[in-house]
Amino acid sequence: EAGVAQSPRYKIIEKRQSVAFWCNPISGHATLYWYQQILGQGPKLLIQFQNNGVVDDSQLPKDRFSAERLKGVDSTLKIQPAKLEDSAVYLCASSAGTSGGRYEQYFGPGTRLTVT
Amino acid sequence: AQSVTQLDSHVSVSEGTPVLLRCNYSSSYSPSLFWYVQHPNKGLQLLLKYTSAATLVKGINGFEAEFKKSETSFHLTKPSAHMSDAAEYFCVVSHNQAGTALIFGKGTTLSVSS
Repeated sequence: EAGVAQSPRYKIIEKRQSVAFWCNPISGHATLYWYQQILGQGPKLLIQFQNNGVVDDSQLPKDRFSAERLKGVDSTLKIQPAKLEDSAVYLCASSAGTSGGRYEQYFGPGTRLTVT
Repeated sequence: AQSVTQLDSHVSVSEGTPVLLRCNYSSSYSPSLFWYVQHPNKGLQLLLKYTSAATLVKGINGFEAEFKKSETSFHLTKPSAHMSDAAEYFCVVSHNQAGTALIFGKGTTLSVSS
């Protein structure tokens, strides 16, 4: 079975520019997650979708970050404008359900963002 | 509130010797606990999980972990390290309510020397 796909794999932008990341989850997975992994730290959840609805976006910096999953499949995460502290790996994951413990989350390879 | 503390940021072992990666957790609910591995330039992979069944959990590649409620610990072990085990390991806590995110520790880098 195909895994979680993400693009681009790497992106370098200047501060105050905008950037968008794309994620295609495993087929049939209703739940999609975006995580931010800063160097030297574990991933931190930014937003969780169930189909095309938001389940949890409490840690998403909404003044600059936005995410959508319009048709309940692919998702995009956008940063506008970017700051230096946004440099990180952005991971997308998907699972068959929303329960944190019951359903395994499958992770994509990530997009490494460098803001200069 | 939930959290995990990985007690060692870096562990070095020789090939063929035992591996011990330590993790303590804090949770207001009955937790689910996981260990994930991240190899360079690869995605996170689930090694094993505990979800209130047997306290000794066996995972892939010979790894296992024991849930100890009295010690709030979930240490990862392997009897004999292999060079291919060198990677970043994350201890993760969650619980079974819908919508609950995975809470990751800061990670432990495992180095294996020949």
